[in-house]
Amino acid sequence: NAGVMQNPRHLVRRRGQEARLRCSPMKGHSHVYWYRQLPEEGLKFMVYLQKENIIDESGMPKERFSAEFPKEGPSILRIQQVVRGDSAAYFCASSPPPTGAHGVAKNIQYFGAGTRLSVL
Amino acid sequence: KQEVTQIPAALSVPEGENLVLNCSFTDSAIYNLQWFRQDPGKGLTSLLLIQSSQREQTSGRLNASLDKSSGRSTLYIAASQPGDSATYLCAVPAGGTSYGKLTFGQGTILTVHP
Repeated sequence: NAGVMQNPRHLVRRRGQEARLRCSPMKGHSHVYWYRQLPEEGLKFMVYLQKENIIDESGMPKERFSAEFPKEGPSILRIQQVVRGDSAAYFCASSPPPTGAHGVAKNIQYFGAGTRLSVL
Repeated sequence: KQEVTQIPAALSVPEGENLVLNCSFTDSAIYNLQWFRQDPGKGLTSLLLIQSSQREQTSGRLNASLDKSSGRSTLYIAASQPGDSATYLCAVPAGGTSYGKLTFGQGTILTVHP
């Protein structure tokens, strides 16, 4: 059972270019989360998606960033017109849908190895 | 707004020592707390998830405790080994939910030297 797959592992872009980061969740997982880890900072939540649905995007920057999780294919985090401050490690996690009594779930999120974005 | 703090920020110990990592959170209305390990340049590996109804959870040489009322969790590592060297992160889900976004602490960088 393959884990969460992210690609590319490393991505170099020049200022103003677009960056596309891909995440394939674990088999059977329909929930995907994106987190960003800036240099010398902790992991910060960006967005939480289900198939064809954005559940929570409270951590997404208002401009240039978007995310999708289509019915078929991986989840994509897209950064338009990248700037140097976007350089970071971007992690994707997946989990199964919440289950159990009263909707309480274990919410174990399984993380990918990350994409390290460098903006020149 | 939930805030998670980890102490110490870094810890260096000789092999064989038992050690404790601390995690505190400001909003005690949590359903669970998760401890992760992150190796340099790698992703996160879930170590333990402890439910709010539990006080302890054990896996091998690791033991996590949770005191919701005081907003604290500890990760105890017994008989540390050089292979335990990594960054340890604790995280809690958003207030009032058991799933969804996680709020992470800054992490404790652990170095175990032979």
